This record gives sequence, C-alpha cells and structure tokens, in this order.
Amino acid sequence: NAGVTQTPKFRILKIGQSMTLQCAQDMNHNYMYWYRQDPGMGLKLIYYSVGAGITDKGEVPNGYNVSRSTTEDFPLRLELAAPSQTSVYFCASSHLRGLAGGRDTQYFGPGTRLTVL
Amino acid sequence: AQTVTQSQPEMSVQEAETVTLSCTYDTSESDYYLFWYKQPPSRQMILVIRQEAYKQQNATENRFSVNFQKAAKSFSLKISDSQLGDAAMYFCAYRPPNTGNQFYFGTGTSLTVIP
Repeated sequence: NAGVTQTPKFRILKIGQSMTLQCAQDMNHNYMYWYRQDPGMGLKLIYYSVGAGITDKGEVPNGYNVSRSTTEDFPLRLELAAPSQTSVYFCASSHLRGLAGGRDTQYFGPGTRLTVL
Repeated sequence: AQTVTQSQPEMSVQEAETVTLSCTYDTSESDYYLFWYKQPPSRQMILVIRQEAYKQQNATENRFSVNFQKAAKSFSLKISDSQLGDAAMYFCAYRPPNTGNQFYFGTGTSLTVIP
C-alpha cells in the first residue's frame, strides 16, 4: 500500500511551457485534491474531485486543469506556466465514508516542487 | 469565507517540555471537523490529530492532545514530552460539512525543539 504518490518530485519550467503533475492513490479513496503551498503560507486548494469523471474548482483554479478518468489517478495540468505558479504542489485523497479512523481525513503525497523561470 | 488563523509563526520548546500551539477559526456551522497536520523538512504532510465538533471530549493521540473550545472557536494543540522529531511546521485545518470535503488551512507554526 503506497498511499498517495506524486511525480515528479522537482521540476523547472520556462515561462509558457506546459506540464502535467501526476498523482495516484491506491487506497480506493473517493475524493482527491490538489493544493499549492507558497513560501510561508498554508495550503490553497486548486481543484478537487469527488469521484471518477467529476471535478470542481477550489480557491485558486486559474491556470490549471484537471481530469479524473479513474478512481486512482488525478493529474494536474499547467498549460502556460507563469512565474506566479512557482510553488510546492500537494496531492491528497480521502474516503468520506470510510472507517472511523480514516473518515474525513486527508492523506497527502510527498509534494512536487515546481519552479517557473 | 472560512478562515483559519494561527497567530504564532514560530515557537520553540525545550526537549521533554510541553508546548501549546494556537489555532482559531471562523465558522457559522455547528458540525465540522478540525485537524492538526505536521510538515517536517521532508515536506510530507502528516496527520497528527483530528477533532469532530459534535464531540465534547478533547481528542488525544499519545503525546498530542487538543483543547477544543467550540464557543470560542479555538483549537489548540498541546505536545507533551517534546522530542527532537517533533520539530516541524504545524498546520491547523478546518473542514466544513457538505462542501466536497474541502479543507481550509492556517498559515502554520514553525516549531523548534531545543536539545
């Protein structure tokens, strides 16, 4: 059971380039999330998904896109990278109706550090 | 808008001593969830403890406990017998009911443990 995995761990992009941040979970969780964490700040929600085929915007969705074709995977797409997107990106998952110990608890991946120059 | 405030950007504690991290939140809901997450230098977010608002009893996980004051909208974390491995950023998080399981995070408190 690997939990939540993210790739890559680090990436440097040039302005205007595109990339996809990968996220996968093997816990059969319904909900998945993408957050960004800027220096000295908490996490801001970018997008989330309540199940395969269903996604919705969070607090800071501009400049990003997501898809959820399977329960396991939730990739985040940056189409035209900008310096303002330099951040650490975290993927998380949770199972709303899981066991008492896991219910409503989010489990995080290790993060992807993205720099846009 | 939901807000979570951590008023202590940095805290320090002597090894084996006790430290309390503060968190307040703003909500008009009566049933919600509160969490403390730890983020060590590895940047992995690790769940420390969770509290359901409808439960009056304060949650406890080994050396970690909370002081949940619902009327005051306060949710502090107490770490007893502090260890060097407790050094990390600590984030308080709030989850309202019925909003797609969206979490709101505070800006974090950096905890230093002094040997």
